[in-house]
Amino acid sequence: GENVEQHPSTLSVQEGDSAVIKCTYSDSASNYFPWYKQELGKGPQLIIDIRSNVGEKKDQRIAVTLNKTAKHFSLHITETQPEDSAVYFCAEGRSQGNLIFGKGTKLSVKP
Amino acid sequence: DTAVSQTPKYLVTQMGNDKSIKCEQNLGHDTMYWYKQDSKKFLKIMFSYNNKELIINETVPNRFSPKSPDKAHLNLHINSLELGDSAVYFCASSQGQGRYFGAGTRLSVL
Repeated sequence: GENVEQHPSTLSVQEGDSAVIKCTYSDSASNYFPWYKQELGKGPQLIIDIRSNVGEKKDQRIAVTLNKTAKHFSLHITETQPEDSAVYFCAEGRSQGNLIFGKGTKLSVKP
Repeated sequence: DTAVSQTPKYLVTQMGNDKSIKCEQNLGHDTMYWYKQDSKKFLKIMFSYNNKELIINETVPNRFSPKSPDKAHLNLHINSLELGDSAVYFCASSQGQGRYFGAGTRLSVL
């Protein structure tokens, strides 16, 4: 298929809890998987990415995991804070620099 | 300095009008893009330019025309605006697979 499947579409957690967003891609040749955070009234910003030669990458409270066999990758946010509230997009990097975005997950962190 | 800047931030206009959105990047990137984000937040690529050559055009109506006077600029011109054109339009640039987005232009067609 053409699209990247992203779930859930909305996610509400209590401050301090963890949040997990999952994406499934279709092209086994894809080798780059970034995650973008879009705050209200702003453009998407890259927060973390992973390439197909590694299975996990961490940056403070954010981690991304990749399962190439199952063609899944996930974003994990630990110790969530209200400022983590935003729309998060996964993306699949295909050939010739083509980037296919998921449909987004609206994360709400309740204080 | 803002890496990718686009103007205007808001654009309200009547159906049938012609409008332009400007974009500039100061990152020295070779490729620039235009994306459309609808009310459901779906991000869809419209165009990309690499060294002044169009390399992607995702079945966008020919009322939309990208214009790149140089590597740092990619403007979007829209003719005969329709109600369905209302959306947020994002400019982006890249040097490789990552994308650097502008803050967006919210277009409202009345």
